[in-house]
Amino acid sequence: AQSVTQLDSQVPVFEEAPVELRCNYSSSVSVYLFWYVQYPNQGLQLLLKYLSGSTLVKGINGFEAEFNKSQTSFHLRKPSVHISDTAEYFCAVSEDNYGQNFVFGPGTRLSVLP
Amino acid sequence: DAMVIQNPRYQVTQFGKPVTLSCSQTLNHNVMYWYQQKSSQAPKLLFHYYDKDFNNEADTPDNFQSRRPNTSFCFLDIRSPGLGDAAMYLCATSTGLAGGGEQYFGPGTRLTVT
Repeated sequence: AQSVTQLDSQVPVFEEAPVELRCNYSSSVSVYLFWYVQYPNQGLQLLLKYLSGSTLVKGINGFEAEFNKSQTSFHLRKPSVHISDTAEYFCAVSEDNYGQNFVFGPGTRLSVLP
Repeated sequence: DAMVIQNPRYQVTQFGKPVTLSCSQTLNHNVMYWYQQKSSQAPKLLFHYYDKDFNNEADTPDNFQSRRPNTSFCFLDIRSPGLGDAAMYLCATSTGLAGGGEQYFGPGTRLTVT
C-alpha cells in the first residue's frame, strides 16, 4: 500500500518570500498525485494534480509542483507568498486511476508572517 | 455552480444522543466519501459509497453508520456520540471514472459533543 510523508509539520515564512512544502511518497506502482489546501473551518480545495505528462504542474493561486519519480517526491512551491496563503496543505496519493486507494499525508501548516 | 453541500455547518449534540449529518452533491458523481478530521490531523476515511455499494474502512467504529438513498444525498449517523467523536466531518465526491480519483470536498460539519 502507498504512504505519504510530509516532513515539515509547520513552515513559517515571511510575506513575499518563496516557499517549498515537501511531499514524498512510497508506492510500488505508478501514482497520481494531488495537493489540497484547507483554510480554517473549511473543506479541502484542490490546488493542483499530476496524472501524467509534464512533470511540472501549475495550479491555482500561483502554486506549482514538480513530480520527481526517481526521488518519489512531489514538492509544492510558490515564488512569493501572501498572508492569505496561511493554511494547512495536504499532499495526497492515489495508486488507482479510479480513486479507490486515496491516501493523505499528515499535512503541513504554512504560516505567512507580515 | 456544481458543488458539495453539507448541513449543518456546526452541530452540537449531547453525549449519547444520536445525530445525523447530511451531504448533498450536484456533481452527479458516482462516489461519495465521509471523512473524520480531528484538530491538526489529516482527514481519516470512515467509509465510501460507489453508487449503492457500501465500503466500510476496517477501523471505523460500529457507532458510525451511513446511508445513501440516492445519487445526490449521503448521510452520516452517529448512534451514540462520545466525547472522542467531536471533530470536523467532511463529505467528498469523485467521479469513480478514470482520472486519478480527484476528490471534491464540502465545507464540512463541525461536531461538538457536550
